[in-house]
Amino acid sequence: GESVGLHLPTLSVQEGDNSIINCAYSNSASDYFIWYKQESGKGPQFIIDIRSNMDKRQGQRVTVLLNKTVKHLSLQIAATQPGDSAVYFCADHGSSNTGKLIFGQGTTLQVKP
Amino acid sequence: DVKVTQSSRYLVKRTGEKVFLECVQDMDHENMFWYRQDPGLGLRLIYFSYDVKMKEKGDIPEGYSVSREKKERFSLILESASTNQTSMYLCASGSRGRGANVLTFGAGSRLTVL
Repeated sequence: GESVGLHLPTLSVQEGDNSIINCAYSNSASDYFIWYKQESGKGPQFIIDIRSNMDKRQGQRVTVLLNKTVKHLSLQIAATQPGDSAVYFCADHGSSNTGKLIFGQGTTLQVKP
Repeated sequence: DVKVTQSSRYLVKRTGEKVFLECVQDMDHENMFWYRQDPGLGLRLIYFSYDVKMKEKGDIPEGYSVSREKKERFSLILESASTNQTSMYLCASGSRGRGANVLTFGAGSRLTVL
């Protein structure tokens, strides 16, 4: 079946450094991906998305890169701040047409002061 | 600014009890979803609904049922709770249309079954 996986369960970075969170997906037909951030005690919140006709998309301090050849995407956070500490999930639309998402296991980002 | 509301943040139930988890969204979304979240397993889809009275099984529907009588409300039912259903349950909603469906999540309901 379709799956989405993250490379590291935990990432620890120094405040001010850049963070890179990686994700791999299995379905070559997937054409839409979303990154979510989940802070403690809250539900996941949308950060940024990217369609398969793009290689890169930038938001405020965040960039998502998509490499369709190796079925890999990454989330880059510039100048990481304490408020960025959270669990990050990548999600894949898969090949279904029902709007459901397939989530990875999540990477916990810890920001050291 | 609350858009997806889960009625209970924390519940403690006993094995064999019937459990209702309620979810309401105010964004007029067609699609609604129930996920469970467990450490190391990410979010796994239990059931989803893309219209009133419509439901589809997700990846782990066993032991659960759902009800969607109104567009804004999607309920998850555990007919006879078991200890392996202790988990965080997340409700989400999204608009219809592939590629346009960025899900909005509720804050979650943490269920403990003793």
